[in-house]
Amino acid sequence: GAVVSQHPSWVICKSGTSVKIECRSLDFQATTMFWYRQFPKQSLMLMATSNEGSKATYEQGVEKDKFLINHASLTLSTLTVTSAHPEDSSFYICSAPLVGNSYEQYFGPGTRLTVT
Amino acid sequence: QKEVEQNSGPLSVPEGAIASLNCTYSDRVSQSFFWYRQYSGKSPELIMSIYSNGDKEDGRFTAQLNKASQYVSLLIRDSQPSDSATYLCAVRDDKIIFGKGTRLHILP
Repeated sequence: GAVVSQHPSWVICKSGTSVKIECRSLDFQATTMFWYRQFPKQSLMLMATSNEGSKATYEQGVEKDKFLINHASLTLSTLTVTSAHPEDSSFYICSAPLVGNSYEQYFGPGTRLTVT
Repeated sequence: QKEVEQNSGPLSVPEGAIASLNCTYSDRVSQSFFWYRQYSGKSPELIMSIYSNGDKEDGRFTAQLNKASQYVSLLIRDSQPSDSATYLCAVRDDKIIFGKGTRLHILP
């Protein structure tokens, strides 16, 4: 199956700092990638859709100035959590779909962010 | 508001038995349906996709789709302890909509 990687797998940062998370599609091109957040024992929450070469589309309630998304190439999307606070501590997961008839979506391994 | 509904569980099934996971969705025009497995602390992993009415089998897994009833299910035969996980149902419209997942516990 398709492979999506994320880096870093975990990160601890201090309140007020910014953290960048990378999402790469390793063996296919992805014009679209999705960013999710998952709190413990809760479901996936779609944060935004990352579009190569254009602005990201954010879901209702997600602050675009706080969660900066850049989709600079067909294999790389980045999510930057700016001025992180403890309530931003979560599991951040990206995914990329194989576009076509199937539209199967493949997830990266996730990044666990802890803000102290 | 398009919705995907799943029973949160936990669903407890004896080892070797058949586990049956169910999902309903609200949008009649949905075309693509997926089942993902998520182990605790890990990201979801695609298990099955199904696009037309009927059954689709892959090893111990069978996905069933009934578009008239807006219902999709996943059967796991010969359940193993390693099948213990949360199973997410997902439906595609203009984007993928996930259910909240059903926790499955296989009893040794």
